[in-house]
Amino acid sequence: QKEVEQDPGPLSVPEGAIVSLNCTYSNSAFQYFMWYRQYSRKGPELLMYTYSSGNKEDGRFTAQVDKSSKYISLFIRDSQPSDSATYLCAMGDGFGNEKLTFGTGTRLTIIP
Amino acid sequence: DAGVIQSPRHEVTEMGQEVTLRCKPISGHDYLFWYRQTMMRGLELLIYFNNNVPIDDSGMPEDRFSAKMPNASFSTLKIQPSEPRDSAVYFCASSVQGLPRSGYTFGSGTRLTVV
Repeated sequence: QKEVEQDPGPLSVPEGAIVSLNCTYSNSAFQYFMWYRQYSRKGPELLMYTYSSGNKEDGRFTAQVDKSSKYISLFIRDSQPSDSATYLCAMGDGFGNEKLTFGTGTRLTIIP
Repeated sequence: DAGVIQSPRHEVTEMGQEVTLRCKPISGHDYLFWYRQTMMRGLELLIYFNNNVPIDDSGMPEDRFSAKMPNASFSTLKIQPSEPRDSAVYFCASSVQGLPRSGYTFGSGTRLTVV
């Protein structure tokens, strides 16, 4: 079993819809949770991160963590065609360890 | 800063040939990571360095893979001999200590095809 599981999609939604992207994990040692966005033929770029259970907002993006269920989500409100990309979750244990474990990514397309 | 620079962007080689991928990290970043991305397995960490010293190479698939970081501004990933199953996009990333705030900065990747 992989440490981090992510539905690969693809996911297509109309412009303006709310998008929900999710990951589950098995390693209880993970302390922080990150979301990266990857455009086609580019490297991933950091979108946002959070440490603890609960929600964190950044503009149209909300990251949610439920440590008891080992489940994290990224919500995108008022989705735009420019949000079309692959979204990867990533996690680290934070014990002086700079290594991240990534999910496989979900390919998202926003239809104008 | 120009970001993390990888070369070449694309590489097509025949099975059995040696392949060398190159990476220039962001100046001042003391961590460097090599990842491999495929559709089936996603992003897999191959090896990472701290201050030019290899810290964790447990992700290197086998002895055919080797990585070096002779100085703070340059790293190579070598595959010898290459096999078709090595076909993937190879990313280099750099960071400063302080995850998750610092994050990783990824290069644009090298798309390797072994025929």
